[in-house]
Amino acid sequence: DGGITQSPKYLFRKEGQNVTLSCEQNLNHDAMYWYRQDPGQGLRLIYYSQIVNDFQKGDIAEGYSVSREKKESFPLTVTSAQKNPTAFYLCASSMGKTDTQYFGPGTRLTVL
Amino acid sequence: AQSVSQHNHHVILSEAASLELGCNYSYGGTVNLFWYVQYPGQHLQLLLKYFSGDPLVKGIKGFEAEFIKSKFSFNLRKPSVQWSDTAEYFCAVNPTGTASKLTFGTGTRLQVTL
Repeated sequence: DGGITQSPKYLFRKEGQNVTLSCEQNLNHDAMYWYRQDPGQGLRLIYYSQIVNDFQKGDIAEGYSVSREKKESFPLTVTSAQKNPTAFYLCASSMGKTDTQYFGPGTRLTVL
Repeated sequence: AQSVSQHNHHVILSEAASLELGCNYSYGGTVNLFWYVQYPGQHLQLLLKYFSGDPLVKGIKGFEAEFIKSKFSFNLRKPSVQWSDTAEYFCAVNPTGTASKLTFGTGTRLQVTL
């Protein structure tokens, strides 16, 4: 099956710890994205990557970091510098930078 | 920068009622427009999209949306909703040629009662 996988579905961490969220796609898409979804606020773009070994900050990049070493993978690290990390994180991909984005199932991160 | 407004935050309808969800955007240039749906416990799915051409766009599950350029609107409609349409609906927009700048509205939660 082609698609986008995110793991784990639920993640719990203690305050002050860094945590990495996984996103893998087998759609052969060039572009990948990370969004954060909070109740009543819709989705906000954290980082995006249009090609391997290149990525750009979105609207709310502070406290997050990413890497794009492989076309199919775009992991997101939520660092201890992120003030409100508890949220639902969604990964997406698109064929090119002008194409429709398709979303993964999301990871719900809770920081205790 | 572009922005998207969805004025209906929570809509409750009975089955078979007609639906219209509002979406307005602000951006001076040409845009691509999307409606995504998030069913309970499921991931965000594309409902329909407008890139160019006929401003009346038909999507999956009987949904349609009309792009009215003069009103900067892209309202979502369905003539008769079903209980299974209960979900959260998001409008999104990006300037033509820049999919990476997809901006979402805050979403509308639709609850369909039997």
